[in-house]
Amino acid sequence: DAKTTQPPSMDCAEGRAANLPCNHSTISGNEYVYWYRQIHSQGPQYIIHGLKNNETNEMASLIITEDRKSSTLILPHATLRDTAVYYCIVRVAGWGSQGNLIFGKGTKLSVKP
Amino acid sequence: NAGVTQTPKFQVLKTGQSMTLQCAQDMNHNSMYWYRQDPGMGLRLIYYSASEGTTDKGEVPNGYNVSRLNKREFSLRLESAAPSQTSVYFCASSPTYSGEYTEAFFGQGTRLTVV
Repeated sequence: DAKTTQPPSMDCAEGRAANLPCNHSTISGNEYVYWYRQIHSQGPQYIIHGLKNNETNEMASLIITEDRKSSTLILPHATLRDTAVYYCIVRVAGWGSQGNLIFGKGTKLSVKP
Repeated sequence: NAGVTQTPKFQVLKTGQSMTLQCAQDMNHNSMYWYRQDPGMGLRLIYYSASEGTTDKGEVPNGYNVSRLNKREFSLRLESAAPSQTSVYFCASSPTYSGEYTEAFFGQGTRLTVV
């Protein structure tokens, strides 16, 4: 069963910020939020992850609500090359099948000129 | 650095044939994974290897076997291919299996068609 809920698709204008939401209302205290993306026909690519605090790296920012039931991935200046399917994944940091990266259907982001 | 290399990139099999998908990583990662992706679907975990010498079933293991040959290589075998196994197969590796930092690196995929 999916632990996350994401909109199936979103559009974004080139150069604008892309805000991708993810609901994970049943997240446990020891579960992290990971984001990956998959550009057409390629293998998935790691973007960012977090536990409680907001995180930023060279690719994106991750905003996690205080109750941790939802999060938003922000691509600050989307380009056409950011067109991809974005996956939000919740997982524990530990051994066993629950620690695997279980991918749902993700959000297809289309960046338009 | 090559990262994660999968061979072959494309393959067509007849029902009942067998084949092995090869995967090798050069990042000295402990953990490796095999996923399949069907059209319009997310990825589903077939098998994983938390460390050299161990393998475990994932979400959809039926019809597959795996071998962790050494730290670098993790192969996926289809003993008797079925049309339902037509899919894109991705191999991945990560530095650790436990702990927070399990950023996974993926190969480019093997596109398998079973006719």
